[in-house]
Amino acid sequence: GAGVSQSPRYKVAKRGQDVALRCDPISGHVSLFWYQQALGQGPEFLTYFQNEAQLDKSGLPSDRFFAERPEGSVSTLKIQRTQQEDSAVYLCASSFWGLDYNEQFFGPGTRLTVL
Amino acid sequence: RKEVEQDPGPFNVPEGATVAFNCTYSNSASQSFFWYRQDCRKEPKLLMSVYSSGNEDGRFTAQLNRASQYISLLIRDSKLSDSATYLCVVGGGADGLTFGKGTHLIIQP
Repeated sequence: GAGVSQSPRYKVAKRGQDVALRCDPISGHVSLFWYQQALGQGPEFLTYFQNEAQLDKSGLPSDRFFAERPEGSVSTLKIQRTQQEDSAVYLCASSFWGLDYNEQFFGPGTRLTVL
Repeated sequence: RKEVEQDPGPFNVPEGATVAFNCTYSNSASQSFFWYRQDCRKEPKLLMSVYSSGNEDGRFTAQLNRASQYISLLIRDSKLSDSATYLCVVGGGADGLTFGKGTHLIIQP
């Protein structure tokens, strides 16, 4: 079956631009996670949804970051007024249920470069 | 702030050798533990969960020491295809997963 998909795979933005990153989780997966992975680092948690409810957004680095999952399936991570430090790979993961007791399946990521 | 610490390596190991990684975590309330594997420019994929009693999957053995708050991964008879970054991952219930920075393994022919 289809895994987690993300689009675009690569995004180049000029500093100050807004970007929107899309995640299509595995069908039927209740939980959806966003992570930010800088070069040479492990993924850093950004936010977590259970269905359409955003239960944890403690990892979002600033109020320029916003995520939504309005119908409990597809999710969008939006970054407003991008800065160079936002350059990273943004990974989406989904799991069937729960926070961390179930395997998380990751998408291929969106590599964001802010010039 | 919850921390998961790993030796970043790289570990350069000849093919067929045994290699072991350790990882320490700071949150004593952590309840779930995993090793993920990440190939260059790819997404992380679950390698194995880590259970209190220790567990083995083929050439891979994972162990958990709750008292000392560390997790280990042992790879026996290493293959060229084992070359990757190995991420130690810890879950604490309400706060999702915390990833280590990863240990880079290079298996040399």
